[in-house]
Amino acid sequence: DAGVTQSPTHLIKTRGQQVTLRCSPKSGHDTVSWYQQALGQGPQFIFQYYEEEERQRGNFPDRFSGHQFPNYSSELNVNALLLGDSALYLCASSPATGQSTDTQYFGPGTRLTVL
Amino acid sequence: KQEVTQIPAALSVPEGENLVLNCSFTDSAIYNLQWFRQDPGKGLTSLLLIQSSQREQTSGRLNASLDKSSGRSTLYIAASQPGDSATYLCAVQAGTALIFGKGTTLSVSS
Repeated sequence: DAGVTQSPTHLIKTRGQQVTLRCSPKSGHDTVSWYQQALGQGPQFIFQYYEEEERQRGNFPDRFSGHQFPNYSSELNVNALLLGDSALYLCASSPATGQSTDTQYFGPGTRLTVL
Repeated sequence: KQEVTQIPAALSVPEGENLVLNCSFTDSAIYNLQWFRQDPGKGLTSLLLIQSSQREQTSGRLNASLDKSSGRSTLYIAASQPGDSATYLCAVQAGTALIFGKGTTLSVSS
């Protein structure tokens, strides 16, 4: 079992550019969540995808958008990058059973640096 | 709005000590509470998950407790080892999102 995988590992962009991050969920999981973790902070929820639709969204601007594909993999897109978007972006997957015992499995993250 | 606070922000102990990490949350209407470990620049590893109906969970040298009425959880680490050095994050789930604290960075010296 490969677990949750993310690509790329590191990324450097300049202000105003656009970026796409990718995530493949753990085998058997159909729900993908994205989190942003700034340096020294806890992860903050961006949004969650289930059945190719955004199910819930955190307090992030529309510059942050996503997509989920039929194979449950997901992309996070950020437009018009700002310096403050520099962070570790974490993807987490979980089964859509809705059980209180379900934990979210996190990937290794993508480190985005905006110059 | 749910807020999660972790105290202390950082902790240094000698190898072999028992220690307690604290987590508090403002809204007791949670689905579950989880403790994660994060090594520098890495993703999160789930350590323990406590359902809202449970009081504690144990895994090896780790024991986590949950008191929903007071909005508190503790993570107890027995006989600490240098390999336990990491950041420990507490998260509550209400709905589909996890709400995290800022973490406690633990350093165990040999």
